[in-house]
Amino acid sequence: SQQGEEDPQALSIQEGENATMNCSYKTSINNLQWYRQNSGRGLVHLILIRSNEREKHSGRLRVTLDTSKKSSSLLITASRAADTASYFCATPNSNSGYALNFGKGTSLLVTP
Amino acid sequence: GAVVSQHPSRVICKSGTSVKIECRSLDFQATTMFWYRQFPKQSLMLMATSNEGSKATYEQGVEKDKFLINHASLTLSTLTVTSAHPEDSSFYICSANAGGYEQYFGPGTRLTVT
Repeated sequence: SQQGEEDPQALSIQEGENATMNCSYKTSINNLQWYRQNSGRGLVHLILIRSNEREKHSGRLRVTLDTSKKSSSLLITASRAADTASYFCATPNSNSGYALNFGKGTSLLVTP
Repeated sequence: GAVVSQHPSRVICKSGTSVKIECRSLDFQATTMFWYRQFPKQSLMLMATSNEGSKATYEQGVEKDKFLINHASLTLSTLTVTSAHPEDSSFYICSANAGGYEQYFGPGTRLTVT
């Protein structure tokens, strides 16, 4: 099964700054999703981008997808302390319907 | 939005005992639910796909006799960790999709086996 790779593994910024996280994957996909996880909690869906889309926005989030490079990026603008969390990209598990393969995640720390 | 609950949120058990974790979709029906496992500071690994009314599908390397899955209704899937050992200590998370690609995740269950 494929596994995405995010970089950086950890990112520390100050409030107001932008945070960019990258994700790479290995096989062909029809969509890519980004999720957020607060420490010790479940995951929350942030945004989905389809393979025929190059960029998508949702509030302070901007996601790009480059299927030729098999990579995606998540940009959080004007970060807030409340954005502190781990962020994972996820791609469809080709063997299990709607199940997902997750990347290793980026741990984001936003300090006031 | 769709809500998924898990119970218990934390459980501590002794080696050799069995633990049951429940996953419920509260406001939608889910013919399929998924169970993931997450070790500290690591990513989620898919363990199995839970299918309502039929057998679960396990990922390679996951022992079906150790991790028993039952999906008896359209809103409930259970994962039973049988004869638990300390290496089974982990964070177990379930998810379901409500008709689209997005997954809705439960809050997770922290299992500690002593």
